[in-house]
Amino acid sequence: KNEVEQSPQNLTAQEGEFITINCSYSVGISALHWLQQHPGGGIVSLFMLSSGKKKHGRLIATINIQEKHSSLHITASHPRDSAVYICAVRERGGADGLTFGKGTHLIIQP
Amino acid sequence: EAGVAQSPRYKIIEKRQSVAFWCNPISGHATLYWYQQILGQGPKLLIQFQNNGVVDDSQLPKDRFSAERLKGVDSTLKIQPAKLEDSAVYLCASSLRGISDTEAFFGLGTRLKVV
Repeated sequence: KNEVEQSPQNLTAQEGEFITINCSYSVGISALHWLQQHPGGGIVSLFMLSSGKKKHGRLIATINIQEKHSSLHITASHPRDSAVYICAVRERGGADGLTFGKGTHLIIQP
Repeated sequence: EAGVAQSPRYKIIEKRQSVAFWCNPISGHATLYWYQQILGQGPKLLIQFQNNGVVDDSQLPKDRFSAERLKGVDSTLKIQPAKLEDSAVYLCASSLRGISDTEAFFGLGTRLKVV
């Protein structure tokens, strides 16, 4: 079973800062998801990656399959980016259900 | 496009009582998931349906939890009897096919407190 570790667990930064959240996993995967969860709200899927890099607006996600590591970057961070960011993986050859990390609680202060 | 609908949003029950949660996935989505998210942890898959069949229920505590997806659309998750450790947010998600090749859409969740 995959172990998914995220770091940091908590991150407080000032508006405008460049943010990096890291995710590492222990077993080969077929896909990695980055998800965003707002307090009291549901979960929104940000990216699904199997290799390389994806960009959407101010968000960038990268994955290194050999190193079993992915990063989520936020450029020009804004208070509305404050949320829990969750990394989730689907194991190669496994069932479709995801294994989730515990999440990174991000607070962007104005 | 309507999202994944869940009800109720909040529920407080006493231990040993029973409770049921309802999920209506996005129209046309074949795959439906129920996740349990305990405070401070990431979600954990309880059960996955493909249409009205169960694909994975290996982490579902079957002595007290049950789920069904009759007609391959709406789904209900039931806990009977509830324990204090069942306090969590129960998330429903759906995807067009399997989550491996398509994006998953999540509902807002049902926050359960067992007292």
